[in-house]
Amino acid sequence: EIVLTQSPGTLSLSPGERATLSCRASQSISSSYFAWYQQKPGQAPRLLIYATSTRATGIPDRFSGSGSGTDFTLTISRLEPEDFVVYYCHQYGNPPQTFGQGTKVEVK
Amino acid sequence: EVQLVESGGDLVQPGGSLRLSCAASGFTFSSYAMSWVRLAPGKGLEWVSTILKSGSATYLADSVKGRFTVSRDDSKNTLYLQMNSLRADDTAIYYCAKKALTSGFCPLDYWGQGTLVAVSS
Repeated sequence: EIVLTQSPGTLSLSPGERATLSCRASQSISSSYFAWYQQKPGQAPRLLIYATSTRATGIPDRFSGSGSGTDFTLTISRLEPEDFVVYYCHQYGNPPQTFGQGTKVEVK
Repeated sequence: EVQLVESGGDLVQPGGSLRLSCAASGFTFSSYAMSWVRLAPGKGLEWVSTILKSGSATYLADSVKGRFTVSRDDSKNTLYLQMNSLRADDTAIYYCAKKALTSGFCPLDYWGQGTLVAVSS
């Protein structure tokens, strides 16, 4: 099973700042099968990015993804108030599919 | 509009059983594989189960294998998760989610709001 480790666990930033979230895999994975989700309190997770860098429908262009091999990054270029929530990474190409433990982006 | 609505969560004693349901609408349910994913308190998301189109194959996480069963009724556009021999560490919000593509490895593009399962004496 591929373990995904997200860092940091909590990221404290101010609105308008740039956020960089990291996800490291325990073994190399195909960039075609890597995604990021956003989850707001009490809501369902929302697909943000798939295939490492492709934004899902309706996702603002301030969200971008990059990476390869074992290291992947979600970047939020300028944080909006609604972005201060939890983010999960996900690999879906090596069964069983696995998720990271989450990064919480909080207001500094 | 795609909608996934889970139900069936409850407080249950260890060793008990529950059946979760997920009612789907807004897409051709029979054309897509569906998954269950859970979120336990203080933990990250955990994949639980996937069922392919027409129920042609089912997959379960090792942590629930032998205790949980996934099924679907395409005539009712409904996904199910039968949970037996429940343990305290099964306590979580259970989400059903739709696979983004009709085949192959793909992300989960729509999720329900979740249903809470609490296992405690």
